[in-house]
Amino acid sequence: DIRMTQPPSSLSASLGDRVTITCRTSHNISSYLNWYQQKPGKAPKLLIYGASSLQSGVPSRFSGSGSGTDFTLTISSLQPEDFATYYCQQSYITPLTFGQGTKLEIK
Amino acid sequence: QVQLQESGPGLVKPSQILSLTCTVSGGSISSDGYYWSWIRQHPGKGLEWIGYIYYSGSAYYNPSLKSRVTISIDTSKNQFSLKLSSVTAADTAVYYCARVDSEVVVAANPEPEEIFDYWGHGILVTVS
Repeated sequence: DIRMTQPPSSLSASLGDRVTITCRTSHNISSYLNWYQQKPGKAPKLLIYGASSLQSGVPSRFSGSGSGTDFTLTISSLQPEDFATYYCQQSYITPLTFGQGTKLEIK
Repeated sequence: QVQLQESGPGLVKPSQILSLTCTVSGGSISSDGYYWSWIRQHPGKGLEWIGYIYYSGSAYYNPSLKSRVTISIDTSKNQFSLKLSSVTAADTAVYYCARVDSEVVVAANPEPEEIFDYWGHGILVTVS
């Protein structure tokens, strides 16, 4: 299985901050990397696919980059609704696997 | 707009079979290019892919659960189902059904990739 690592597990930031969340994979997955946002009690929501493509309807303050084994999700200017948990997920090979999540909290 | 809704018992006894159904509306479960998936999330933990199925009936499972999992599909009802046998307390989780778009083309990738683009709300299943 491809292992997904998201350090740190939590991150504190303030409104308006630029935030970067990282994801590292145990194998080269090219750009088969997706990012999801999950709020408490809700299902995950797709933000970024193919490492850097913005899903329709997602605000442009979200962006993704990386390829191979190292990836980042960047939020350019934090809004109140962005405080949530973010998961990376690889679709390079089954079993599809997710990172353990990074919880973004208000400082 | 595609919508998915999980249904089934919220409480299952140890050693029994966990059975859940996902009803799809707003789109056909028989459409080409989509897989229909189950994912679970243990309380306060991350996400675990259980498996998915194509409308043809071809199913793929996470090897960690493969010996206990069956995913089936009923195209006449626009539903797909999950059965997990011999459950223990470790199977207590929120279970999500989701649609997987398997034909997402990205310039950087030689083959289309798969994305979970629509999710159900999730259903908490407690084994006790």
